[in-house]
Amino acid sequence: GENVGLHLPTLSVQEGDNSIINCAYSNSASDYFIWYKQESGKGPQFIIDIRSNMDKRQGQRVTVLLNKTVKHLSLQIAATQPGDSAVYFCAESPGQGAQKLVFGQGTRLTINP
Amino acid sequence: SQTIHQWPATLVQPVGSPLSLECTVEGTSNPNLYWYRQAAGRGLQLLFYSVGIGQISSEVPQNLSASRPQDRQFILSSKKLLLSDSGFYLCAWSEGHLEAFFGQGTRLTVV
Repeated sequence: GENVGLHLPTLSVQEGDNSIINCAYSNSASDYFIWYKQESGKGPQFIIDIRSNMDKRQGQRVTVLLNKTVKHLSLQIAATQPGDSAVYFCAESPGQGAQKLVFGQGTRLTINP
Repeated sequence: SQTIHQWPATLVQPVGSPLSLECTVEGTSNPNLYWYRQAAGRGLQLLFYSVGIGQISSEVPQNLSASRPQDRQFILSSKKLLLSDSGFYLCAWSEGHLEAFFGQGTRLTVV
């Protein structure tokens, strides 16, 4: 994508606070969305997903919100811990016939003690 | 359960040398396979993907090539490495358009 060469935006949060990471997606036909967490030196790991027929989905300490009207996706992490420090990527699947995900730019989350 | 193996974990190669990174997937059949590159502090750039044996789609023009000689094997190659090929290379698999599962990555440094 055109954003892969840009430095990642950063977000710093105090340990124990809640954090919200935002993502704007481009394709109104996208029907499936995923959040990934990437720790330093490792591959991205799946956190949570949501389909376009939903607007909210909750996991353990994480919530994903989907606003299809404005094509916006967010990841909320409750009661942040030092282990939450990582880069977070959103990804969209542009529909049933698509064969690949489209990744967002990524956000670096730092949890301050 | 499905697993993905990617090796080596780190690699230091001189400019002009060849490259071969290998990725294999276990526990699934006919997966989609992907190669991504990630520069330090940057996002994920899709390099190649494959929906079947011998089928390779290239996303960006570059000094690299990919091959899929077997259903669950994906290889990233170069005949002559450039300094700009340095980066973190990630292999991934998926079932169609659903979530992708990533390997642990290979950090390539071209010197």
